[in-house]
Amino acid sequence: QVQLVESGGGVVQPGRSLRLSCAASGFTFSSYGMHWVRQAPGKGLEWVAVTWFDGSNKYYADSVKGRFIISRDNSKNTLYLQMNSLRAEDTAVYYCARKTSPGTFCDYWGQGTRVTVSS
Amino acid sequence: EIVLTQSPDFQSVTPKEKITITCRASQSIGSSLHWYQQKPDQSPKLLIKYTSQSFSGVPSRFSGSGSGTDFTLTINSLEAEDAATYYCHQSSSLPYTFGQGTKLEIK
Repeated sequence: QVQLVESGGGVVQPGRSLRLSCAASGFTFSSYGMHWVRQAPGKGLEWVAVTWFDGSNKYYADSVKGRFIISRDNSKNTLYLQMNSLRAEDTAVYYCARKTSPGTFCDYWGQGTRVTVSS
Repeated sequence: EIVLTQSPDFQSVTPKEKITITCRASQSIGSSLHWYQQKPDQSPKLLIKYTSQSFSGVPSRFSGSGSGTDFTLTINSLEAEDAATYYCHQSSSLPYTFGQGTKLEIK
């Protein structure tokens, strides 16, 4: 079965960096694109970024463009989100999700990792 | 950016009732509209893809319809386990967006 396990969350000061990881199993990771989606406390879902199966295409929400970088290591079945210049408004639970194939939406989601940006 | 507006924001219903949640897009998205269910302290789960196609393992009481800018999620014969927040999501164009969510309470 599809499993996605996020890690790397924590408490970080504004302006600092953090890297999230998402370990995938139960499917051929190198054949699927992947998303990051976040959810601020008590709020709805916000799409953050997507990468194609081979990393050839990457797209970002305007709110994180220029600060966050999505990447993947298909040899390790792992997705990453490098988050730089963090702001208080980046505080959220971050989910990785598999991108359908064909299609562009999310079918399976991880359990999320919590990021708190606070001084 | 395509804005998705759901209604209602909150609904309280009794078991065995039927409810309909609507999602309106700020511009036409064809059939690229999907529905998710999120229970408290859980990650979202896909219910309906491409407006009306049920995802694997989803109970038949969940159904979707619509096209263009207006979409609906219908839940027939509600059960206690359906208490959750429901989100619509468009994958027609970047940036991908979600509706604000509809919280469903089962009395």
